Amino acid sequence: DAMVIQNPRYQVTQFGKPVTLSCSQTLNHNVMYWYQQKSSQAPKLLFHYYDKDFNNEADTPDNFQSRRPNTSFCFLDIRSPGLGDAAMYLCATGRIEGSTEAFFGQGTRLTVV
Amino acid sequence: AQTVTQSQPEMSVQEAETVTLSCTYDTSESNYYLFWYKQPPSRQMILVIRQEAYKQQNATENRFSVNFQKAAKSFSLKISDSQLGDTAMYFCAFTSGTYKYIFGTGTRLKVLA
Repeated sequence: DAMVIQNPRYQVTQFGKPVTLSCSQTLNHNVMYWYQQKSSQAPKLLFHYYDKDFNNEADTPDNFQSRRPNTSFCFLDIRSPGLGDAAMYLCATGRIEGSTEAFFGQGTRLTVV
Repeated sequence: AQTVTQSQPEMSVQEAETVTLSCTYDTSESNYYLFWYKQPPSRQMILVIRQEAYKQQNATENRFSVNFQKAAKSFSLKISDSQLGDTAMYFCAFTSGTYKYIFGTGTRLKVLA
């Protein structure tokens, strides 16, 4: 019954070692989002895709990249993780029509050691 | 710029009692959507309730209801008959035609037995 699936749930990476987080959806939504959420804070939008159109937030560091090879999948690449990148990363999907709610995955908790 | 403000970082309520969480927002848009999301500890963010700005009637979902005051740009969440399972972080969120979701900083609600 899962609709937005993130893998892995927990990821430990070394300082400076590239890491990729993945997200898939079964909702066929045309918008996919990546949010960064630090402890007890609001989710912060990093970027989103409208279909294949990539939209980067102005304050998203260059260290963060994303790929969306098809409607169902979206990846978050962190090229050189720093200690400050340790956070929960949330993937979400949405539809343009009707501005319905965003649907969230369970998140990937990233630890940088 | 659109903003969402939640002024109550933490709240507690006795089981079976009623609690109201506050949210204010700022926008120049006339048509938009407001949401309350619930994020239980270490669990997925899920939608609690949604309100379309063009609807004057306040949304209700079982024990959850909102008080939407468009002129005052206020959107509070009332939880009736609070249950232990309501313990969570609650986020107020906004979206308009840009299909970005903007979140408040959250209110941590603890339901006491």
